[in-house]
Amino acid sequence: EAQVTQNPRYLITVTGKKLTVTCSQNMNHEYMSWYRQDPGLGLRQIYYSMNVEVTDKGDVPEGYKVSRKEKRNFPLILESPSPNQTSLYFCASSSIGGWTEAFFGQGTRLTVV
Amino acid sequence: RKEVEQDPGPFNVPEGATVAFNCTYSNSASQSFFWYRQDCRKEPKLLMSVYSSGNEDGRFTAQLNRASQYISLLIRDSKLSDSATYLCVVNGDTPLVFGKGTRLSVIA
Repeated sequence: EAQVTQNPRYLITVTGKKLTVTCSQNMNHEYMSWYRQDPGLGLRQIYYSMNVEVTDKGDVPEGYKVSRKEKRNFPLILESPSPNQTSLYFCASSSIGGWTEAFFGQGTRLTVV
Repeated sequence: RKEVEQDPGPFNVPEGATVAFNCTYSNSASQSFFWYRQDCRKEPKLLMSVYSSGNEDGRFTAQLNRASQYISLLIRDSKLSDSATYLCVVNGDTPLVFGKGTRLSVIA
């Protein structure tokens, strides 16, 4: 079954404690992306990757890191989380170009206290 | 100017109504266009692609106007189950640029 898997689904953490949210896809997609969603602000892109070892900043990259060492995985790293990073996070993947559908993970609800 | 703009709504309509959403995009080189549906706090899912010739799927019709750089979604005979947020998505130099979404509430 084609899918994007995010873990964990829910996470409560404290300010400053490094965390990683994992994202994995089984569709051999080149493109992967991270978004955060906050009330009234829609989906905002954090980082994206067009292929292995190629990553670019999105609209709101501050406070986040990513890596793309393998095609299937695109982890989101918060080195020192702060309360303003409390949000709902989605990972997505797709092929590049044309009329290709994007697939999303089920989301990670992160609370930083 | 944001790349993709949508009226955030909410649109509150009675069952059976016809409702239309518009979305404008700024990059004239954009290549492909989509409408996604997102239920509350769940992941977005593809509703339909928007081809130059238009696209119809049951009660849903999507249109593209390249000259004016907008896409539209028409929902006829609204059902309670249509209540959701509808996201306009544009593929260009940057893949998957999302609008903020338009919230629809269909009321009995």
